[in-house]
This record gives sequence, C-alpha cells and structure tokens, in this order.
Amino acid sequence: EDKVVQSPLSLVVHEGDTVTLNCSYEVTNFRSLLWYKQEKKAPTFLFMLTSSGIEKKSGRLSSILDKKELFSILNITATQTGDSAIYLCAVGRNSGNTPLVFGKGTRLSVIA
Amino acid sequence: DAGITQSPRHKVTETGTPVTLRCHQTENHRYMYWYRQDPGHGLRLIHYSYGVKDTDKGEVSDGYSVSRSKTEDFLLTLESATSSQTSVYFCAIRAPRRVAAGGLSYNEQFFGPGTRLTVL
Repeated sequence: EDKVVQSPLSLVVHEGDTVTLNCSYEVTNFRSLLWYKQEKKAPTFLFMLTSSGIEKKSGRLSSILDKKELFSILNITATQTGDSAIYLCAVGRNSGNTPLVFGKGTRLSVIA
Repeated sequence: DAGITQSPRHKVTETGTPVTLRCHQTENHRYMYWYRQDPGHGLRLIHYSYGVKDTDKGEVSDGYSVSRSKTEDFLLTLESATSSQTSVYFCAIRAPRRVAAGGLSYNEQFFGPGTRLTVL
C-alpha cells in the first residue's frame, strides 16, 4: 500500500530558528513529490520535486529530494510567525489517473 | 488561482438529511477531486473524477456519492448525513503548469477554498 509519512507531526519553534520537516514515502511508480502549505484555509502549492539532489528554493524555504532513500526535507530558515501552518507532503505517481498520496502533515507553530 | 469555487462555504445540517456540495471550475480541467480533512487524519480522498461521467472511489468513499455531468461541476452528495461526516471538505483540480525546462508538469493539485460541514 502506498504511503507518505511526515515527521514530526507538530513542532513549536521561536522566531529566527531554522526548522527541517521530513517526508518519507513508499509508493509504486513514483513520479514527483510535492509540498503544500496550509494556513487557516486551503493548501497552497510550494514545490514540486522530481529529481534527486536538486534543491528548490523560494525565499527562506528550500526543499530537496532523495530518490534512493525515498525521502524529502523542507527547510525553513529564519522562521517568522507567518510561517505557522500545516505543511503537507504528497507524492504523485506515473500510473494513469491515480491521485496524489498525502501525508498527514506537520503542524508548525512559530512563536515570537 | 485555479478558478475553483465551492458552495456552500458553510453548512449546518441534521443527521439523516441529504447534503450536496458543489465544486465549480472555470478552466476546463479534466481531473477533479473531493477530500475531507480532519484533525489527526490529514487530507483523505473521498472520490475523484477523470472526465465527464468518469469517477472513481478514494480511500473514504463510504457514505458519499459523486456526479460529474459536465466538465466544470463535480458534486459530492451525502445521501443521509451522519455526525462522523462533520468535516472540512476540499475540492481540488489537477492543472498543468509550465516548468523551467520548457515542458508541462501535470502533477500539481490546486485546492478550492473548502466547505465546513457540521452534522448535528
């Protein structure tokens, strides 16, 4: 059975800290790994990774994929209270119509 | 913004009543999805559609049915609502996105604003 596991489930840090969120997966016909950020509303897309070792960056957020060890990390440097959210990891597969497989998310709280 | 709207945005209903949630998209995307989100469970797929009249079950489809009679609308129906169906429901579409290499990526899903359903 395909699965995506995120850790930790929740995390509390202080502003300015650097955090690393983890996502491991076991899926057949892996195609891509995606990260989403969810504040009080719907999830919004952050990154999609398809190749190992190539870092994707957007401001203070970065992510990298390891297809050999089947995991990805999402780094946030110099955290701000606005980074408080649930971060979701999802994996896409090559097989036809199959939907994304989502992890349960990591709830990040950044306190001043 | 992938042009997705959901209606209603909030609904309170009683156990045993039928409920229909609507997802509407304006950009002719083929794939549409219904998820529910609950604390401790994350996003769970209920049903999805890969074209008009083409639908399939997700991991938590019991108690739900869907219909897609036209590309732009994907309806989720709770035939007889139960308290366990109190949740936040998200619709999503899969849309192509141009990537740096010049091709198209088809894996991203974009979400509607959600419907908060309370079954008393």
